[in-house]
Amino acid sequence: KNQVEQSPQSLIILEGKNCTLQCNYTVSPFSNLRWYKQDTGRGPVSLTIMTFSENTKSNGRYTATLDADTKQSSLHITASQLSDSASYICVVSATRTGGSYIPTFGRGTSLIVHP
Amino acid sequence: GAGVSQSPRYKVAKRGQDVALRCDPISGHVSLFWYQQALGQGPEFLTYFQNEAQLDKSGLPSDRFFAERPEGSVSTLKIQRTQQEDSAVYLCASSLNLIAGDPDTQYFGPGTRLTVL
Repeated sequence: KNQVEQSPQSLIILEGKNCTLQCNYTVSPFSNLRWYKQDTGRGPVSLTIMTFSENTKSNGRYTATLDADTKQSSLHITASQLSDSASYICVVSATRTGGSYIPTFGRGTSLIVHP
Repeated sequence: GAGVSQSPRYKVAKRGQDVALRCDPISGHVSLFWYQQALGQGPEFLTYFQNEAQLDKSGLPSDRFFAERPEGSVSTLKIQRTQQEDSAVYLCASSLNLIAGDPDTQYFGPGTRLTVL
């Protein structure tokens, strides 16, 4: 069964500090991996997306890495801001025959940034 | 607006009632997904449409759940005889066209929070 495991489950940091969130997956055959940010009461918003050949992708203060050999990804947040407080969800998609594929979502890491 | 919209935003139902949740995807988006998100969990896939065709409904938890997208645009998720365990946020997402190997981005609506009493 395709699975996506994220750690830590929750994280509290001080404003201005850096943090790294982890994602391990067993989805196969791998197509792509996305990191989403979900603010409370809102739908997820895409931060980064990486395919098999990409091992790093940046979006402002967010940098995602991908190791397709070990099936691990990380999301690094630099110089955190209060607005970074949210749930960060790792989503991995597999290729499927027939032309469509269904993403597998992790449970998310809840990040709280304190002033 | 230009984003995915969902209605209602909040729905309270008595156990046994039928409910209908609406999703308006971004205009021109071919692919549409429904997800169920329990409190503190990540979204769980329910069903997927490409235009009006429901290509995958393997995530629907029971035959009480039914989804349609008759004209390939607006979609409705219907839950019959609601149970307390159906309480969750129901998210809709659309993308231009989600095909194998294409890392297309899904755009999510704000969700409908369903509470079954």
